[in-house]
Amino acid sequence: AQKVTQAQTEISVVEKEDVTLDCVYETRDTTYYLFWYKQPPSGELVFLIRRNSFDEQNEISGRYSWNFQKSTSSFNFTITASQVVDSAVYFCALSESNNNDMRFGAGTRLTVKP
Amino acid sequence: DVKVTQSSRYLVKRTGEKVFLECVQDMDHENMFWYRQDPGLGLRLIYFSYDVKMKEKGDIPEGYSVSREKKERFSLILESASTNQTSMYLCASCLGGLNEKLFFGSGTQLSVL
Repeated sequence: AQKVTQAQTEISVVEKEDVTLDCVYETRDTTYYLFWYKQPPSGELVFLIRRNSFDEQNEISGRYSWNFQKSTSSFNFTITASQVVDSAVYFCALSESNNNDMRFGAGTRLTVKP
Repeated sequence: DVKVTQSSRYLVKRTGEKVFLECVQDMDHENMFWYRQDPGLGLRLIYFSYDVKMKEKGDIPEGYSVSREKKERFSLILESASTNQTSMYLCASCLGGLNEKLFFGSGTQLSVL
């Protein structure tokens, strides 16, 4: 069965620090999709990125970057020069191509202090 | 932008009551989902629907039912609310299957007393 582990329950950093949120997944499928979502205090989860299993290129979007490594089954998320507005709960998620279920990790609560 | 609207942000009900949680999306999405979010457990899928009047069970359907009479509306029903159903409930929708990104509502925090 597919599984997503976010070992970091809570992280606290000071503004402008870099921070990496870890995500490790398990799947037997060769075709799968990985996601990151952000849940700010307002409650609504917001999509950040989607990656398929055949695309291991790292991605950068502004201060956000993602490191996908199939060899270690990890899809880590780094925020560079963190800001207070980055404070949120971040979820990593996995879906398999033949499975009607998106499996979420337990989430990492990031607090960025001014 | 896609809008997913959940009818209530906070709800307080008594044990044994029948509870309806409503969700409406405005972008003609085929697929709609109900998750519950609990601390330390992340999001768990309760039910989803891939078409009008169609539904499938997720990970934790026990104690819940759903209704999808119109494409834009997906209702979650707690037939007889219990205290262990106190949780944050999140509705989501997407155009394709679960390989596509989900659009979420703001959630309903349900307390069952």
